[in-house]
Amino acid sequence: QKEVEQDPGPLSVPEGAIVSLNCTYSNSAFQYFMWYRQYSRKGPELLMYTYSSGNKEDGRFTAQVDKSSKYISLFIRDSQPSDSATYLCAMSARTDKLIFGTGTRLQVFP
Amino acid sequence: GAGVSQTPSNKVTEKGKYVELRCDPISGHTALYWYRQSLGQGPEFLIYFQGTGAADDSGLPNDRFFAVRPEGSVSTLKIQRTERGDSAVYLCASSSGQGGEKLFFGSGTQLSVL
Repeated sequence: QKEVEQDPGPLSVPEGAIVSLNCTYSNSAFQYFMWYRQYSRKGPELLMYTYSSGNKEDGRFTAQVDKSSKYISLFIRDSQPSDSATYLCAMSARTDKLIFGTGTRLQVFP
Repeated sequence: GAGVSQTPSNKVTEKGKYVELRCDPISGHTALYWYRQSLGQGPEFLIYFQGTGAADDSGLPNDRFFAVRPEGSVSTLKIQRTERGDSAVYLCASSSGQGGEKLFFGSGTQLSVL
């Protein structure tokens, strides 16, 4: 079993929809939780960063961490075609090594 | 520079050859990471430098892989006797090294071993 599990999708939604992306993990020592967005032929770009449990909102994006359930989520409101990309969850128990999920491919169609 | 720079962007080589991949981190970032990303997968950790020294090289798959960062800035990932299974995108990232790391990635080097 992988330390971090993420549904690879693809997920296809119409413009304006609310998107929910999720990851589960097995290592209870994870404290730092991140979401990265990756466009084709580009490196991952940091979207959201959360330490420990709780919610964090930034514009149309909301990240949630539930450590008791070992479950993290990313919500995208009012999705746009420009949001079409692969979304990677990542987490770490310390500050030196991120463990990534496989990524969920999202397509937002007009 | 403004971001993490990786060269070359693409590298095609033959099985058994030696390759070097270069990473130029964000100026002032003390921590540097190498990851490998296969098609349809998330990035897989290879090695992490804090300054000039490798703080964690537990992700290097075998002794054909080696990385250096002699002056604490630019890093080179070296792969000897390349195999077709080494084909992947090799990503470099850097961070401030202050803790609670936010990694900033380059665009990667697409390595193809024929």
